[in-house]
Amino acid sequence: QKEVEQDPGPLSVPEGAIVSLNCTYSNSAFQYFMWYRQYSRKGPELLMYTYSSGNKEDGRFTAQVDKSSKYISLFIRDSQPSDSATYLCAMRENSGYSTLTFGKGTMLLVSP
Amino acid sequence: KAGVTQTPRYLIKTRGQQVTLSCSPISGHRSVSWYQQTPGQGLQFLFEYFSETQRNKGNFPGRFSGRQFSNSRSEMNVSTLELGDSALYLCASSTGENTIYFGEGSWLTVV
Repeated sequence: QKEVEQDPGPLSVPEGAIVSLNCTYSNSAFQYFMWYRQYSRKGPELLMYTYSSGNKEDGRFTAQVDKSSKYISLFIRDSQPSDSATYLCAMRENSGYSTLTFGKGTMLLVSP
Repeated sequence: KAGVTQTPRYLIKTRGQQVTLSCSPISGHRSVSWYQQTPGQGLQFLFEYFSETQRNKGNFPGRFSGRQFSNSRSEMNVSTLELGDSALYLCASSTGENTIYFGEGSWLTVV
């Protein structure tokens, strides 16, 4: 079992839809959770950063962490064609190191 | 504020050669980490440097090495290149505790 599982997609939605992206993990030591967006042939761009359980909202994006279920989610409201990209979840332990464990990413396609 | 800068962006090398990739972190960031991204394995951690010291290392062979200079700039080196080393190599910088930012990466093709 991989430490972080993420459905590779592709996930295809029409413009304006609400998108739900998810990851599950097995390492209970993970404390910090991140979502990155990666466009083709570009580096990952940090979208959301959450510590421990709870919700965090930033514009059209909402990140949720449920540590009891080892499950994290990213919601995108009013999705736009420019949101078409690969979304990577990443997490790290509370060790002070900058070592991230990534999911393999979910490809999102938003059609006009 | 300048982001993480990686050079070169694209390069082609022959099997058996070696390659050096460079990374300049965000100003003030003392932690630099390196990742390899391939379609099959996704993003995998290579190593992390903090204040010129390697403080964590991923599960890669000894052909992969790195270093960090006093100005926080970092280099990684891959010796005796193999076809399977073809990948996007990503550098990330942070203050060492919180958010981690990535560069655009160096695309390495081994032929």
